Amino acid sequence: GAVVSQHPSWVICKSGTSVKIECRSLDFQATTMFWYRQFPKQSLMLMATSNEGSKATYEQGVEKDKFLINHASLTLSTLTVTSAHPEDSSFYICSASQTSGWQEQYFGPGTRLTVT
Amino acid sequence: GNSVTQMEGPVTLSEEAFLTINCTYTATGYPSLFWYVQYPGEGLQLLLKATKADDKGSNKGFEATYRKETTSFHLEKGSVQVSDSAVYFCALSDPDTGNQFYFGTGTSLTVIP
Repeated sequence: GAVVSQHPSWVICKSGTSVKIECRSLDFQATTMFWYRQFPKQSLMLMATSNEGSKATYEQGVEKDKFLINHASLTLSTLTVTSAHPEDSSFYICSASQTSGWQEQYFGPGTRLTVT
Repeated sequence: GNSVTQMEGPVTLSEEAFLTINCTYTATGYPSLFWYVQYPGEGLQLLLKATKADDKGSNKGFEATYRKETTSFHLEKGSVQVSDSAVYFCALSDPDTGNQFYFGTGTSLTVIP
């Protein structure tokens, strides 16, 4: 089946630094990738949708200058949390789709970010 | 707006017990409904789905029926196994909002031998 990986699986960084999270589709080409954020005991919240070669579409309330998303190839999307603060600590999950539709989304295992 | 509410866990059952995880939703249109499962250390996997009222999704012994009158999509399994231990997420997708998924908070299930 379609496999999506994320790297790193967990990361700890200091306030004010930036951290990059990678999302890769290992055995298929991902036309569209999605980034979600999950707080403890809460739902997954869609942050942004990215299509290869174009700018990401951010959901309302998500700071595009803080959460930089790059979908440079059909197998790789990156999320960079810039000038991280403790409130950015969360579980970040990506998913990838072979089409522009939701039916084909495959999820990565997630990345736990802790900002100290 | 769109939202999903599912029963809080954790849920602990003995092997071969009957499982029900409740899920209700609110939606402005006619959504599709999903159950995803996340095994430890892995990504979310689609377990089953239903795209219209009265549809029943089924997979691996799990079932859920799309009930428009009660706005529910409860997950059931007649006899759980230790290997079913995982976190289960109910979700909806509203065709009016394209790719937007709305997830419940997840229910952790532990099955003990």
